[in-house]
Amino acid sequence: QLQLQESGPGLVKPSETLSLTCTVSGGSISSSSYYWGWIRQPPGKGLEWIGSIYYSGSTYYNPSLKSRVTISVDTSKNQFSLKLSSVTAADTAVYYCARRPDRGVDYWGQGTLVTVSS
Amino acid sequence: EIVMTQSPATLSVSPGERATLSCRASQSVSSNLAWYQQKPGQAPRLLIYGASTRATGIPARFSGSGSGTEFTLTISSLQSEDFAVYYCQQYNNWPTFGQGTKVEIK
Repeated sequence: QLQLQESGPGLVKPSETLSLTCTVSGGSISSSSYYWGWIRQPPGKGLEWIGSIYYSGSTYYNPSLKSRVTISVDTSKNQFSLKLSSVTAADTAVYYCARRPDRGVDYWGQGTLVTVSS
Repeated sequence: EIVMTQSPATLSVSPGERATLSCRASQSVSSNLAWYQQKPGQAPRLLIYGASTRATGIPARFSGSGSGTEFTLTISSLQSEDFAVYYCQQYNNWPTFGQGTKVEIK
């Protein structure tokens, strides 16, 4: 059974960079033709797609976040990562990693709450 | 950006009744639409993709229809475990989600 697990700091200071990693188990990132991505959900609000990456490293991002987002993949560790720079309180959210946001997400991580506060 | 608009915001339904949720796209997304169910404290669960294909393990009481700009999720006979928030998502362009419909017990 495929599992995704987010990890990273739960508290980030304003203006700093949020960094999260998603570890995939039960399957290989590089053995299947899927995009992998990040989606976030501010407390009590709806879902927002952040960006996606293919195992080859090809990426595409939400235009509203593109200037601050970097998503990378490490196939040797079966992981992909998110970096979001210059964070503000508006970036406080539960961050989910996900498989195939481009076709309907069939596997989600459990989500990790990241709070931006000094 | 393709804007997804869901209606109603809240739907009050009695157990055993039928629920019909709507999702409208600001421009055509063909059949590139998914529906999710989310319960408090949990990640969303994929119900439908391709506008009408049920995901693995999803009960037959969930059905999706529509194409272009108008989509519907129907729950034929609501069970207690179906009370939740439902989101639509288009993936014809970069993915965007609707704001959600909360299905609550009447």
